[in-house]
Amino acid sequence: DAGVTQSPTHLIKTRGQQVTLRCSPKSGHDTVSWYQQALGQGPQFIFQYYEEEERQRGNFPDRFSGHQFPNYSSELNVNALLLGDSALYLCASSEFSGRDYGNGYTFGSGTRLTVV
Amino acid sequence: AQTVTQSQPEMSVQEAETVTLSCTYDTSESDYYLFWYKQPPSRQMILVIRQEAYKQQNATENRFSVNFQKAAKSFSLKISDSQLGDAAMYFCAYRSPVETSGSRLTFGEGTQLTVNP
Repeated sequence: DAGVTQSPTHLIKTRGQQVTLRCSPKSGHDTVSWYQQALGQGPQFIFQYYEEEERQRGNFPDRFSGHQFPNYSSELNVNALLLGDSALYLCASSEFSGRDYGNGYTFGSGTRLTVV
Repeated sequence: AQTVTQSQPEMSVQEAETVTLSCTYDTSESDYYLFWYKQPPSRQMILVIRQEAYKQQNATENRFSVNFQKAAKSFSLKISDSQLGDAAMYFCAYRSPVETSGSRLTFGEGTQLTVNP
């Protein structure tokens, strides 16, 4: 049973460029959340997708956008990259279950983004 | 907004000994979930243990147990019989009921655990 798959594993971009990160959820999961983890810090919630819609959003600017596809996979897009966007980006999948979706989370190994 | 604080940036323990990692949180909610996650160098966040706030009984998973003090808003993790494979960054996390802020997790800053042979 495949877990959460993220690609690419590492990425180097130049300030001002745009980047797209990808996530395939665990089999059976239909909800995808994205987190940003700066070096030496805990992950920060970016947003969550369910039924191809953004359901929740953390305190991140509009430069951060996402998408969920009918097969539940998801993309995180970041425009106009800043040096401060350098971080590990984690994807977490979960299963919607009635009113309490997100009961159990499975995390991927992340994409390490470096902005130079 | 909820906050999670881990006051121990680093901890070390001898193999086979017991170590306790501390976590406090701030919330005005009465119903919520608390988690401990482990993040080894592979970077994948792995769930260690979970506690529902409405349950008074402390959660236990094999060598891992928690001391949940709801009134004090404290949620510590005890690792018994520490093993070399326990070495990792440990994160405490909070989750509100889905009716409020959905299923987002709020993480602490983490505690780096070293296990000495």
